[in-house]
Amino acid sequence: GEDVEQSLFLSVREGDSSVINCTYTDSSSTYLYWYKQEPGAGLQLLTYIFSNMDMKQDQRLTVLLNKKDKHLSLRIADTQTGDSAIYFCAERGSGAGSYQLTFGKGTKLSVIP
Amino acid sequence: GAGVSQTPSNKVTEKGKYVELRCDPISGHTALYWYRQSLGQGPEFLIYFQGTGAADDSGLPNDRFFAVRPEGSVSTLKIQRTERGDSAVYLCASSLSSPLTDTQYFGPGTRLTVL
Repeated sequence: GEDVEQSLFLSVREGDSSVINCTYTDSSSTYLYWYKQEPGAGLQLLTYIFSNMDMKQDQRLTVLLNKKDKHLSLRIADTQTGDSAIYFCAERGSGAGSYQLTFGKGTKLSVIP
Repeated sequence: GAGVSQTPSNKVTEKGKYVELRCDPISGHTALYWYRQSLGQGPEFLIYFQGTGAADDSGLPNDRFFAVRPEGSVSTLKIQRTERGDSAVYLCASSLSSPLTDTQYFGPGTRLTVL
């Protein structure tokens, strides 16, 4: 079945850029998503990218997609302490069951003041 | 308008009891999803509704789990004879219409603890 992998932890200093990486196995993925989860809260959609795009920028967020390598990254510019959270990569396929999102285990981002 | 809401936010129950978890989707969203998030894991799909019908319940772990959406809006996830392994955060999401293209918006979740 589909699998989504992420590194579990990332620590950066306030003001630096953060890069969170994700790999997935489903070559038929149509949309890829980044969600943010703060302690005790639900999932907040940050951004998404369609599989025929290479890059998407939204304010401080830049998403890069390498479809050949099935690699997705989220770059957060000028990282702030409020960005400390768990970031989930999720993919949606194109075949049967494509309404299901498959999530990674999440990357915990810690921002050091 | 308001986002997806879920009640209760926390539920503590004893092993063997029955629980109901409620989800109120974003107004106008016809698609509704339930996911389960265990500690340290990402959410895992349970069931998807399009309108009143369960279009895919392949993620429900066993027949103790059941969900309904009788009027195509509010949904209830029902768990019978709860077990300690059912402890998790249960997340609900909704989307506009086509699950193939529309983004899923998540509620805050219900944290279920089975003692």
